Amino acid sequence: AQKVTQAQTEISVVEKEDVTLDCVYETRDTTYYLFWYKQPPSGELVFLIRRNSFDEQNEISGRYSWNFQKSTSSFNFTITASQVVDSAVYFCALSEGGGGSEKLVFGKGTKLTVNP
Amino acid sequence: GAVVSQHPSRVICKSGTSVKIECRSLDFQATTMFWYRQFPKQSLMLMATSNEGSKATYEQGVEKDKFLINHASLTLSTLTVTSAHPEDSSFYICSARDGGSGELFFGEGSRLTVL
Repeated sequence: AQKVTQAQTEISVVEKEDVTLDCVYETRDTTYYLFWYKQPPSGELVFLIRRNSFDEQNEISGRYSWNFQKSTSSFNFTITASQVVDSAVYFCALSEGGGGSEKLVFGKGTKLTVNP
Repeated sequence: GAVVSQHPSRVICKSGTSVKIECRSLDFQATTMFWYRQFPKQSLMLMATSNEGSKATYEQGVEKDKFLINHASLTLSTLTVTSAHPEDSSFYICSARDGGSGELFFGEGSRLTVL
């Protein structure tokens, strides 16, 4: 069965600190997709990244970076030089199958608070 | 870019009434839509998968007679919470799959409060 674990329930940092959000997943499929979403207090889900199981290359997008390690079934997310606007709940999610847009299984989320 | 719109964004109703939430893909045809529920400070849980022109597939533990899903067109799926009770108060989010590109897009969510 597929499962996503975000062990960190809440993280609090001071602005400009780097912070890493952990995500560990379980799946029996060899083809799957991993996602990260940001959910600010307003509630909408903001898409951050989608990565397929065959692409282990790390990705950087501005202050965001992702480290995908199949050997440890992890897909961690790092925010560099955090800002107050980064405060939100972050969800890691998994979908099985080749399309990458099947139903998602979400982790429980990590609430990040960035203090000024 | 593609947009998925949900309406209403907030709704308050009395216990026992029914509430309909719409999920609309604005610039693409959505062959499949998914409905999720999120209780306060919890994760999103899939309720059902809605395919255009066919019956929805419900996840285990979700009452199909209580949460009626209709996907009558390629751009609209509706979720009706029938005989709502306070425990149905939640944030309901839909996602829609673009039948062309296969990409997945989420709506803004609908917050239901049942008094």
